[in-house]
Order: sequence, then C-alpha cells, then structure tokens
Amino acid sequence: RKEVEQDPGPFNVPEGATVAFNCTYSNSASQSFFWYRQDCRKEPKLLMSVYSSGNEDGRFTAQLNRASQYISLLIRDSKLSDSATYLCVVFIGGTALIFGKGTTLSVSS
Amino acid sequence: GAVVSQHPSWVICKSGTSVKIECRSLDFQATTMFWYRQFPKQSLMLMATSNEGSKATYEQGVEKDKFLINHASLTLSTLTVTSAHPEDSSFYICSARGVNEQFFGPGTRLTVL
Repeated sequence: RKEVEQDPGPFNVPEGATVAFNCTYSNSASQSFFWYRQDCRKEPKLLMSVYSSGNEDGRFTAQLNRASQYISLLIRDSKLSDSATYLCVVFIGGTALIFGKGTTLSVSS
Repeated sequence: GAVVSQHPSWVICKSGTSVKIECRSLDFQATTMFWYRQFPKQSLMLMATSNEGSKATYEQGVEKDKFLINHASLTLSTLTVTSAHPEDSSFYICSARGVNEQFFGPGTRLTVL
C-alpha cells in the first residue's frame, strides 16, 4: 500500500465550478499535512497546510480527518489559472516530505 | 520566502558520462537537504537525504555509488549522476528545510541520450 494515495484524476471542469480532491495516508504517525501545487515542468509549491480544524484560504479549503487518515482540498469558483497538478503531502517527522502521485486539474472556459 | 536554486536547469548528455547538479539555499542555512526524482506523471520520489558534513542517507533502491551526494557547506549540496544511462533521464529536484517550511529548487531536467 502506498503511503499517500490520491484521486486518480484528471479532473476537467468549467470555470466557476467547485471541485474536491481526496487523499488518504497510511502512516498513523504522520505529523503534518500539506497540499502542494505543481505546474508542468516546474517544482512543487506550497499551496496550504492542512489542520484538523480545517484551513481556508480564499477559494481553497483543506480538511484533515486523523481518525480516517483522510485529507481533502476543495476549490470553489475555479479559475483557468487553477489548472495544475495538486499534490497531497505528508510529513512523518525526522524525514523528508512524502508526496502523493498528484491529481491533475484542468479548468476550461 | 526562502529561495533554493539549482544549476543547471536542464542538461542533455551522452550515455556513460557523469552529470553534476548543484543545489543552493540562497538566504538561509540548511543542515539538511533532500534530493527527489520525478518521472513523467509520477510523484516526487525521495532519493536521499543530504546532511552537511556527513554521509547522505539513501532510500531503498537508490544506488549510492551511482548517485553521489556531497553536502560540503550549509548552503550547498551536489548530486552527481555517474555513468548516466537513458533510464536516468528524469526531473531532479532538491529541497531544503527552513524553520517552518520545506523549500524546493526549480529542478533540473536531465536527458541522457
């Protein structure tokens, strides 16, 4: 079983749509959780951290359910510029970040 | 935020040659840097953890004699792909851990002919 698993994607949505990505992690000792965004042929960039209490940043909302070992990202009012690959990332502690395979989002006009 | 640079950004080489990739933390000191590799449509896979002043820690399946890592200072780590082969063609990304965040270099795209 992979340490971090994400929706297979790709997600193709029109502008203005709401889209949700899911992610599960296998290591219950995981300490920190993040969503990264990666554009084609670029390095990943931190989008937002994920907390049990939820985290909202503008159109983006991230949720963590430790009991289910489940992480989500909700994007409201999708923009063309949101088109990218979204990586679910887990930090177990004392190690590097563990990346999911990523879910590709394509927003069209 | 903090900046991590990589050089070169892309390289094309012949099979059998060695390629060195540099990773620098520009405005902070990093005792630990990480080297990742990403194949097309795959996730970033950790190759090794680079520790300043000591030997790197390699992930299972990564050949330490093929991927030489040197972390001689708090701002520089290098990855040398020795005797590169076409299957080594990939996107190599380094990262350095700051106080509260891990920062990534822009990546180096290696193509081995």
